[in-house]
Amino acid sequence: KAGVTQTPRYLIKTRGQQVTLSCSPISGHRSVSWYQQTPGQGLQFLFEYFSETQRNKGNFPGRFSGRQFSNSRSEMNVSTLELGDSALYLCASSLRPPGQGSPEAFFGQGTRLTVV
Amino acid sequence: AQSVTQLGSHVSVSEGALVLLRCNYSSSVPPYLFWYVQYPNQGLQLLLKYTSAATLVKGINGFEAEFKKSETSFHLTKPSAHMSDAAEYFCAVSDLGQAGTALIFGKGTTLSVSS
Repeated sequence: KAGVTQTPRYLIKTRGQQVTLSCSPISGHRSVSWYQQTPGQGLQFLFEYFSETQRNKGNFPGRFSGRQFSNSRSEMNVSTLELGDSALYLCASSLRPPGQGSPEAFFGQGTRLTVV
Repeated sequence: AQSVTQLGSHVSVSEGALVLLRCNYSSSVPPYLFWYVQYPNQGLQLLLKYTSAATLVKGINGFEAEFKKSETSFHLTKPSAHMSDAAEYFCAVSDLGQAGTALIFGKGTTLSVSS
């Protein structure tokens, strides 16, 4: 069974631009979550989607947004990029719906975003 | 608010020695607890999870962790370290009451293994 796939793996953008990252969950998984990993702040939860609906949101500005499609694939978008947005963005998928049982999350390899 | 504290940002052991990585959590209700490992330029791999079925949890690669409610701890151990265990380890918690699968991670512990 294929794991969580994130594309692209690496991305370089200029300050002020916007970027879209993609995540394909494990087949059959309908919950998708996004995390930001930086050396200073560590791993921080961005948001979670289930059945095309955002179920949970972390403490990030509105420049960070996401969506989920009917096939459970998800995208996250960051507009007006800032230098501080440079990070590893990780996507995770879960089998169980939010709030129902053990939230075992399987992570992709991440997208390394560099803002210059 | 939930929180996770990992004591020691860096732990160094010799090959064959005991590995002990510490994790304490803050939760008002019995939580779900996880240990993940991250190798350089990779995502997170689940090592093991606690879901209240048993206090001693066995995971992959010879790792295990014991849930101690009285100490609010979930320390990760491995009897004998291998060079391939060198990586960063993260403890995470998810509250039963939260309507989602958001994980709250500790700051991580980098494990170095010397020969």
